[in-house]
Amino acid sequence: DTEVTQTPKHLVMGMTNKKSLKCEQHMGHRAMYWYKQKAKKPPELMFVYSYEKLSINESVPSRFSPECPNSSLLNLHLHALQPEDSALYLCASSQGAGNTIYFGEGSWLTVV
Amino acid sequence: LAKTTQPISMDSYEGQEVNITCSHNNIATNDYITWYQQFPSQGPRFIIQGYKTKVTNEVASLFIPADRKSSTLSLPRVSLSDTAVYYCLVGVRSYIPTFGRGTSLIVHP
Repeated sequence: DTEVTQTPKHLVMGMTNKKSLKCEQHMGHRAMYWYKQKAKKPPELMFVYSYEKLSINESVPSRFSPECPNSSLLNLHLHALQPEDSALYLCASSQGAGNTIYFGEGSWLTVV
Repeated sequence: LAKTTQPISMDSYEGQEVNITCSHNNIATNDYITWYQQFPSQGPRFIIQGYKTKVTNEVASLFIPADRKSSTLSLPRVSLSDTAVYYCLVGVRSYIPTFGRGTSLIVHP
């Protein structure tokens, strides 16, 4: 079983809503990631945090806002999303840069 | 970034050995090769990682030739539950882990 926990598992939101996806790991990992995955496509990297600081932003639109309150938690704040943002959002963590990445089960987001 | 190329799909039967090959011609000296398994509606699951020669764990084996321009994931005696998408990643150690298209494996009874 994965030790990366994501909540909620499913989220339906309107285009004017503000919501958040949450991710937690208790493996002592210092790097955390957000990926987006559309149906029948590979996961696409969105953000990387290292030691609680944003180190990589893969040109993600500002309607997605990541936050890393501490080394165990990672949030993805969502605002004014579009229907095409509907996807599986995956959180992952690794011991550090360049170490094996472990994924959570994902949060299914539907924007209506 | 090292780009990976895998077959889009493969078919097998229960009890057979399955070998999935990944090409990564521009792999960097310090890059590792990592394989993940993903079931529908679930996050990718780490299977195995290696740098050179052969690595084996309780789930699979990974064969890497001396030039490291390709790698082969070997799944012994597959079952129906091995039906999944398998991803080869190169460059995890370059800190920007990027997925290729993956190989959809279907195991038939």
